[in-house]
Amino acid sequence: RKEVEQDPGPFNVPEGATVAFNCTYSNSASQSFFWYRQDCRKEPKLLMSVYSSGNEDGRFTAQLNRASQYISLLIRDSKLSDSATYLCVVKAKTSYDKVIFGPGTSLSVIP
Amino acid sequence: EPEVTQTPSHQVTQMGQEVILRCVPISNHLYFYWYRQILGQKVEFLVSFYNNEISEKSEIFDDQFSVERPDGSNFTLKIRSTKLEDSAMYFCASGASGSYNEQFFGPGTRLTVL
Repeated sequence: RKEVEQDPGPFNVPEGATVAFNCTYSNSASQSFFWYRQDCRKEPKLLMSVYSSGNEDGRFTAQLNRASQYISLLIRDSKLSDSATYLCVVKAKTSYDKVIFGPGTSLSVIP
Repeated sequence: EPEVTQTPSHQVTQMGQEVILRCVPISNHLYFYWYRQILGQKVEFLVSFYNNEISEKSEIFDDQFSVERPDGSNFTLKIRSTKLEDSAMYFCASGASGSYNEQFFGPGTRLTVL
């Protein structure tokens, strides 16, 4: 099983739609979770951290289910500017910090 | 807003040559990282650096790679003898102390090995 897996995508949605991305991780010792977005040929940019109780930032909602080792990202009222690849990132808190990126899910928001 | 910077933006080199990729992390950050992304593939962790030493490295980070923080601001990645398969985008990232340790990425250096 891969360390971090994501929906392969691509997701093509109309403006205004709600879209959800899923991510699973294999290491139960993982302690920190993030969603990043990456535009074509650009650096990953932090979108939001994912907290145990779930958290919301405007149109974006992240959820964590430790028992199922599952993370989700919900985007409401999609904008054209949301078109990007969304990366699930998992970090294990050990004596050394290893960060694992998922392969990403591509989103295209269509006018 | 403070940001991570990287130079050069694009480096072309011949196979077997040494390259040094440079990064200036955000000034009050304590954790530094290098990642690479081969075109069309996922971002891969190479190495983390804290308190002037490597804290974690991946299996990709073999003896031909090294990192250094030569002064208070720069963080460098050296590849001693480049191979064709080293062609990739190399991202530097930095993070402040803290349990969540969110990382902020530089714009990357595109390395092309001919």
